[in-house]
Amino acid sequence: EDQVTQSPEALRLQEGESSSLNCSYTVSGLRGLFWYRQDPGKGPEFLFTLYSAGEEKEKERLKATLTKKESFLHITAPKPEDSATYLCAVLNTGGFKTIFGAGTRLFVKA
Amino acid sequence: GAVVSQHPSRVICKSGTSVKIECRSLDFQATTMFWYRQFPKQSLMLMATSNEGSKATYEQGVEKDKFLINHASLTLSTLTVTSAHPEDSSFYICSARALGTAYNSPLHFGNGTRLTVT
Repeated sequence: EDQVTQSPEALRLQEGESSSLNCSYTVSGLRGLFWYRQDPGKGPEFLFTLYSAGEEKEKERLKATLTKKESFLHITAPKPEDSATYLCAVLNTGGFKTIFGAGTRLFVKA
Repeated sequence: GAVVSQHPSRVICKSGTSVKIECRSLDFQATTMFWYRQFPKQSLMLMATSNEGSKATYEQGVEKDKFLINHASLTLSTLTVTSAHPEDSSFYICSARALGTAYNSPLHFGNGTRLTVT
């Protein structure tokens, strides 16, 4: 069964303290791995799509990487405004259902 | 671009009544929209896939008679929670993929509807 597991569940950082969020996945033929940011009471906001192992994408302080079993979201020198829940999701070979992980709640303190 | 508007953002209703939630793609067309339910600190759970002009496809365990979905146009899908009960209280989120984009392109989400059934 296709599955997405994110760790840690919650992460507390000081401003400027870099770290990484993990997304482990099991899927029958990966057609895309997505990272979204979700603020409280809001819908998810798209960040990145990765399609194949070895691929990397960057946006401001965020960098997403992908292997055959997991993806990392690296946060460099985070700021308080980076505080949010980060969701990882995968699309399998069938292509009709996007499966989400439970997310990592990130808190960045000034 | 790619804005999805969901309305209402919050609704409180009494047990036994029905509630309709609208999901509109404002600047693009979508043949397919997806309805999710999210519990606190949990993953988004896909409830159903809404297809323009045809019946929705429901996930296992989701009651189609309770959660009525209508996708009447390329820019509007509605979810009606019928005879709501307190256990239906949750955060409902819709999403859409723009017409003409690849099936593995990212989803665009609405801002969700917080439903509270008293």
